Amino acid sequence: EAGVAQSPRYKIIEKRQSVAFWCNPISGHATLYWYQQILGQGPKLLIQFQNNGVVDDSQLPKDRFSAERLKGVDSTLKIQPAKLEDSAVYLCASSPSLAGSSYNEQFFGPGTRLTVL
Amino acid sequence: RKEVEQDPGPFNVPEGATVAFNCTYSNSASQSFFWYRQDCRKEPKLLMSVYSSGNEDGRFTAQLNRASQYISLLIRDSKLSDSATYLCAVRQTGANNLFFGTGTRLTVIP
Repeated sequence: EAGVAQSPRYKIIEKRQSVAFWCNPISGHATLYWYQQILGQGPKLLIQFQNNGVVDDSQLPKDRFSAERLKGVDSTLKIQPAKLEDSAVYLCASSPSLAGSSYNEQFFGPGTRLTVL
Repeated sequence: RKEVEQDPGPFNVPEGATVAFNCTYSNSASQSFFWYRQDCRKEPKLLMSVYSSGNEDGRFTAQLNRASQYISLLIRDSKLSDSATYLCAVRQTGANNLFFGTGTRLTVIP
């Protein structure tokens, strides 16, 4: 079974530029997450989708970050304009469902490593 | 106060040693608990879920202490291949997202 796909794997931009990341979750997974992992820290949730609806975006810096999952499958995360402190790995994860077992496993993609200069 | 706290280490242990990590969580409504393993420049992968009664998977044992609000991971007979960062993660009741600790870095030395 194919895992979570993300692209690009690496991105270097200058501050104030824009950048977009793409994620394709595991087929059939209804829930999709975007996490930010800064060096030396654990992943921090930015936004969670259930199908094409937003479940939790309380930690998303909405003045510069946006995300969408229009057809309930692929998702894009955008940063506009980028700041130096946005340098991090952006991880996409998916899980089978929102309801049901409290031990639904989240499967992570390889991440996009963003460097803002 | 952070939702989840871990000692970042590093823990440097010889092969064959037993090593234990603890992780504390602040929200008593937390429902589900996990240990993830993250290799350098890789994504986190689920190592094991942590059940109320404790659980074991080979050389790995996970325990939950709800009264003191911590979970632990014990690794017996450490292998070189166990070298990684171990992240604890907590899910609160009614939610599906995870709160992660900073991770504990383990290096197993020959």
